[in-house]
Amino acid sequence: KAGVTQTPRYLIKTRGQQVTLSCSPISGHRSVSWYQQTPGQGLQFLFEYFSETQRNKGNFPGRFSGRQFSNSRSEMNVSTLELGDSALYLCASRHTGQGIKFNEQFFGPGTRLTVL
Amino acid sequence: QKEVEQNSGPLSVPEGAIASLNCTYSDRGSQSFFWYRQYSGKSPELIMSIYSNGDKEDGRFTAQLNKASQYVSLLIRDSQPSDSATYLCAEGGNRLAFGKGNQVVVIP
Repeated sequence: KAGVTQTPRYLIKTRGQQVTLSCSPISGHRSVSWYQQTPGQGLQFLFEYFSETQRNKGNFPGRFSGRQFSNSRSEMNVSTLELGDSALYLCASRHTGQGIKFNEQFFGPGTRLTVL
Repeated sequence: QKEVEQNSGPLSVPEGAIASLNCTYSDRGSQSFFWYRQYSGKSPELIMSIYSNGDKEDGRFTAQLNKASQYVSLLIRDSQPSDSATYLCAEGGNRLAFGKGNQVVVIP
């Protein structure tokens, strides 16, 4: 079974621009979560989408947004980029079936965003 | 705000030895705990999940959970150079809270 895929793998943007990242979950997984990883803050939860609805949101400004499509693919958007947005953005998918084992999340390779 | 603490600094272990990693968490209601391995420049890879008190073994890895003490640990037996990575402890259901990670270096 194919894993989580993310595109693009690398991005370089300048301050003030916006960016859209894409994630395709594992086949059959309906939940997609996004995380930001930086050396200083570590891995931090951004938001989760399930059935095209945002179910959870982390403590990030409104410049960070996302959406999910009917095929469970998800995109996240960051507007008005700041230098501090430079990070590895990770997408994780989860099955969401019955049972606690369905809390397991599997990560994609990530998108490395550099803001100049 | 859920917190996961991994306080140990980098861990150097000789090849073949046991590496021991520890993690504490703040949410007494947490039910799901995970260990991820992250190689430099790569994304986290799930290596262990544990949901009930006690030990869970998978190959050379053993996870231990003590809910009363809010404590999770990971043992890596017969450590290999390929185990050199950062190990991240996480807890949660639909939103994971991660510790900052522990770097493990296995010395041949």
